[in-house]
Amino acid sequence: EDKVVQSPLSLVVHEGDTVTLNCSYEVTNFRSLLWYKQEKKAPTFLFMLTSSGIEKKSGRLSSILDKKELFSILNITATQTGDSAIYLCAVGNDMRFGAGTRLTVKP
Amino acid sequence: SQTIHQWPATLVQPVGSPLSLECTVEGTSNPNLYWYRQAAGRGLQLLFYSVGIGQISSEVPQNLSASRPQDRQFILSSKKLLLSDSGFYLCAWKERRRDYGYTFGSGTRLTVV
Repeated sequence: EDKVVQSPLSLVVHEGDTVTLNCSYEVTNFRSLLWYKQEKKAPTFLFMLTSSGIEKKSGRLSSILDKKELFSILNITATQTGDSAIYLCAVGNDMRFGAGTRLTVKP
Repeated sequence: SQTIHQWPATLVQPVGSPLSLECTVEGTSNPNLYWYRQAAGRGLQLLFYSVGIGQISSEVPQNLSASRPQDRQFILSSKKLLLSDSGFYLCAWKERRRDYGYTFGSGTRLTVV
């Protein structure tokens, strides 16, 4: 059975801190791994990763995939209160989601 | 351009009442369609997905059912709601030939009382 595990489940940091969110997976037919940010309603797309070792970057956010060890990390540097959200990882052809990491950034 | 519509935005229903949530997609053909549920503060759980009219795959045995009567219409139903059906329901679609490009609806917050 396909499995996607995110850690930690919740994280509280202060503005300016750097955070690393983890997503590990076991899927029978890996094609891509996606990261989403969910603040209030629908998740919004952050990154799609298909190849190992290639970092995707967008502003203060970056992500990388390790297909040998079956995990991905999402880094956020110099966190801001607006980064507070649930971060979701999804893997597989039919997008199995992990439970998400709830990030709270305090002023 | 493609758009996805999901309604209603919020719903309060008594235990034992029926449910019907609707999702429609515009601007594309033959999309893959998905229903997800999210318990408060948690990740998304895939409930159903569909690759074509009348083709429904169920991921989790439960009190809900889904139907796809038209190519771009996906309906989530229940004959008798349970308290545990409360949650945030999201519809999503993607082009069948792509791995990526999932687009979500705005969601329905269902409270069963």
